[in-house]
Amino acid sequence: NAGVTQTPKFQVLKTGQSMTLQCAQDMNHNSMYWYRQDPGMGLRLIYYSASEGTTDKGEVPNGYNVSRLNKREFSLRLESAAPSQTSVYFCASSETSGGVGTQYFGPGTRLTVL
Amino acid sequence: GEDVEQSLFLSVREGDSSVINCTYTDSSSTYLYWYKQEPGAGLQLLTYIFSNMDMKQDQRLTVLLNKKDKHLSLRIADTQTGDSAIYFCAESKGDYKLSFGAGTTVTVRA
Repeated sequence: NAGVTQTPKFQVLKTGQSMTLQCAQDMNHNSMYWYRQDPGMGLRLIYYSASEGTTDKGEVPNGYNVSRLNKREFSLRLESAAPSQTSVYFCASSETSGGVGTQYFGPGTRLTVL
Repeated sequence: GEDVEQSLFLSVREGDSSVINCTYTDSSSTYLYWYKQEPGAGLQLLTYIFSNMDMKQDQRLTVLLNKKDKHLSLRIADTQTGDSAIYFCAESKGDYKLSFGAGTTVTVRA
C-alpha cells in the first residue's frame, strides 16, 4: 500500500496563478483532510471531507476550494494564489467508524507564491 | 490561536531522556496523540492515549496524562540522534478532526 500520496512535491507560482494539489489514499478511509503548516503555527485545517460527497470548512478556508472526487481522491484548489499562501500543504486520511481515529499523512507539497 | 500548547524547542544530550510537554483545552477529547515529523517529511503517528488512561508505555516512549490539569507529556528514554525531529501533540475534536500544537523541535546533541 502506498498510503497517502500527494502531487506535486514542490511548486512555485506567481501571484494570481491558479493550481490544484492532488491527494489520493489507498486505505479505504472515509475521511480526508487538507492542512497547511507554517513555522511556529503547527498544522491548521483548511478543509475536510468526512465522507464521499461531503466537504466542510476548517479553520483557514479562505482562498481555497476542495473537491472530493471519489472515496480515494481529495483535491485542493487555489484559484488566485497569494504570497500568504506560501506554505507546506499536507493531505491526511482517517477511518471514521470506531477506532482510534488516527490520521495518516502524505509527504506534503511545498508551495511558494512569488 | 492554538487550543493545544507546546514549548517550541528542546535540546537534549544523546543517551539522556527527553520530556516534551503539552497542554490542551478540550476536556471532552477522547484520544490524545503524539506525532513525529522528520525533516522534509509528513507526520507519522508515534503513539496515542485514551482519555481514561493515566499512562501508556511503548518501548522507549512513555506517555503521561493528567486529565485534571489537561497536561500531556511524552518521555523518550535513551534519546538517539534519530529522535531529532518535530513532535506534535494533538487532541481529538469530534468528527475525527484533530487540533495540533505548534510542535516541539527536539535537537539531540552528541
